[in-house]
Parts: sequence; C-alpha cells; structure tokens
Amino acid sequence: GENVEQHPSTLSVQEGDSAVIKCTYSDSASNYFPWYKQELGKGPQLIIDIRSNVGEKKDQRIAVTLNKTAKHFSLHITETQPEDSAVYFCAAHSGGKLIFGQGTELSVKP
Amino acid sequence: GAVVSQHPSWVICKSGTSVKIECRSLDFQATTMFWYRQFPKQSLMLMATSNEGSKATYEQGVEKDKFLINHASLTLSTLTVTSAHPEDSSFYICSAIKEMNTEAFFGQGTRLTVV
Repeated sequence: GENVEQHPSTLSVQEGDSAVIKCTYSDSASNYFPWYKQELGKGPQLIIDIRSNVGEKKDQRIAVTLNKTAKHFSLHITETQPEDSAVYFCAAHSGGKLIFGQGTELSVKP
Repeated sequence: GAVVSQHPSWVICKSGTSVKIECRSLDFQATTMFWYRQFPKQSLMLMATSNEGSKATYEQGVEKDKFLINHASLTLSTLTVTSAHPEDSSFYICSAIKEMNTEAFFGQGTRLTVV
C-alpha cells in the first residue's frame, strides 16, 4: 500500500521567512496530493492541493510542487506570519483513501 | 465550501461503556466517509472507510466489533466505540467526500477520554 514520508517533523522560522515541507510517496498510481493545516484540538483544514497532471500550483503565499518521476511533492509558504504556526500534513490519495504523512509542526517566531 | 459537522466535540465516559460519535455532511451528499484516529503529536491513522448502505471497510489492525460504523444515509455516519477502555482515549476525526479523488472535508474532531 501507499506510504507517505514527511520531513521535517518540526520547523522553526522567523516571521517573514519562507518555510518548505517535503513529502515522498511510494505508490506511483497516486494522483491527488492535498496539504492540510491542523490547529490544536481541531480537525485538518485543506490549504492547497495538486493533481498528478500538474507540476506546480500557487495560491497567494502558498505553493505546492509535484515531481511525479521522483514521487515527491513540497509545500512552500512565503512571507510567513505567526498565524501560520500549526501542524501541517501532506497526504496522497491511493486506492480510494487518503494516506497522511507524519506531520510537520511549524513555528513562526515574531 | 462544504461543511462536515462532528458531534460531540468532546466526551468523557467510564470504562466499559459505549460512546457514539456522529459525523454529518451539512450541505452536500457524501458518497464516502472516513474515520481517523489521532494520538497526541501523531498523524491521522485511517480506521475505516464507510459507504452509505454498505458495510464499512476496516484497516488492518482495527477491530470492527469494537469500533462499529454505521452509514445510514448520504449525510450521516456514526462511530460507536464499544466497551471503551482508557487506551481508546484519543482524538477521533471523520471526513467526507462528494466523489472519488476529490477534496476531503474534515469534521472538527471528537476528543474521547475514557476514565
């Protein structure tokens, strides 16, 4: 089955800097890759997603890149703000279900 | 956007009792709903996939007799934790999708504490 690896597990940046989180997946048949932000005690919220027929997608300060050949995808957050602090999860859609990475705890220091 | 409501948001129960958690899609019909379990500082682990009108598909290692899932309609799925024990204490989260390979909408989660 699908296996998703996510790095780093924790990331601390200064406000205004960029943050990059990387994920790899194992199932070449996976075709949908969402990224979720989870705040403490709440359910995950979708922040951006990408499908396998696209290499890059951007939404304001957030962008995602996908390399199908290498089977990895990355989340890029620019001009980080303290409110970006949360746990971020990547996921891959495989066999009708979402498989999540281990999560990255992002801390943005003012 | 689509809204998924989960109830209750938290519950405390005694060992040996059963607890039911509801997951509702408020403004769309969900072909499939998913139930996850999340321990502190860990990822979401898929427990089961639920399709309306059919039996749930459980992930390996998840006891189907302990975690009963009922998907009675296209807008409601329930998870019942039977004979709960302290080790069942966790954060349970549901999600729902309109169609395959589309965005999953998550509920706000239910914090279960078994004492």
